[in-house]
Amino acid sequence: KNEVEQSPQNLTAQEGEFITINCSYSVGISALHWLQQHPGGGIVSLFMLSSGKKKHGRLIATINIQEKHSSLHITASHPRDSAVYICAVPYSGGGADGLTFGKGTHLIIQP
Amino acid sequence: NAGVTQTPKFRVLKTGQSMTLLCAQDMNHEYMYWYRQDPGMGLRLIHYSVGEGTTAKGEVPDGYNVSRLKKQNFLLGLESAAPSQTSVYFCASSTIDRLQNNEQFFGPGTRLTVL
Repeated sequence: KNEVEQSPQNLTAQEGEFITINCSYSVGISALHWLQQHPGGGIVSLFMLSSGKKKHGRLIATINIQEKHSSLHITASHPRDSAVYICAVPYSGGGADGLTFGKGTHLIIQP
Repeated sequence: NAGVTQTPKFRVLKTGQSMTLLCAQDMNHEYMYWYRQDPGMGLRLIHYSVGEGTTAKGEVPDGYNVSRLKKQNFLLGLESAAPSQTSVYFCASSTIDRLQNNEQFFGPGTRLTVL
């Protein structure tokens, strides 16, 4: 079973700051997922990446397969970015057998 | 498209009672999953299905049963509820792309309390 570690667990920042959330995992994978859980509880997929870097708006995700490490960055952070960000990898490395998750990073952006 | 829906949204049970949670998806996805989310534990995989008529155990399957009689539906059953099963339950569905990656689409969750 893959083990996923996220840091930090909690992060409070001021509007406009550059945010970095880190994720490391123990077993080689086909792809890593970044998810966002809204204060109301809904979960949405932000990124799925297997190499390099992806960018959606102010969000950037990077992955280093050799080091088994990924980062999620938020540029020009805004209070609406406040949410829990969750890193996840395939439960057994790849395929269709579900995900195993980090415990999440609770991000608060203050105006 | 409704995406992934879950029924009910909230439920309170007494210890020993049984219930079934229903997950439905209208995206024609092959794969479906049940997860539970507990404070300090993160999301954990209970059971999953890679196609109609098939199911498999995940990380925390004990105390739960599942069935996938139709491609669009995935049912999670609790035969004899215990307080340890108090949790928020999320269903998800996915398909596999050509790179063997599966982006998952989540339902809104079911908050279950067992007294």
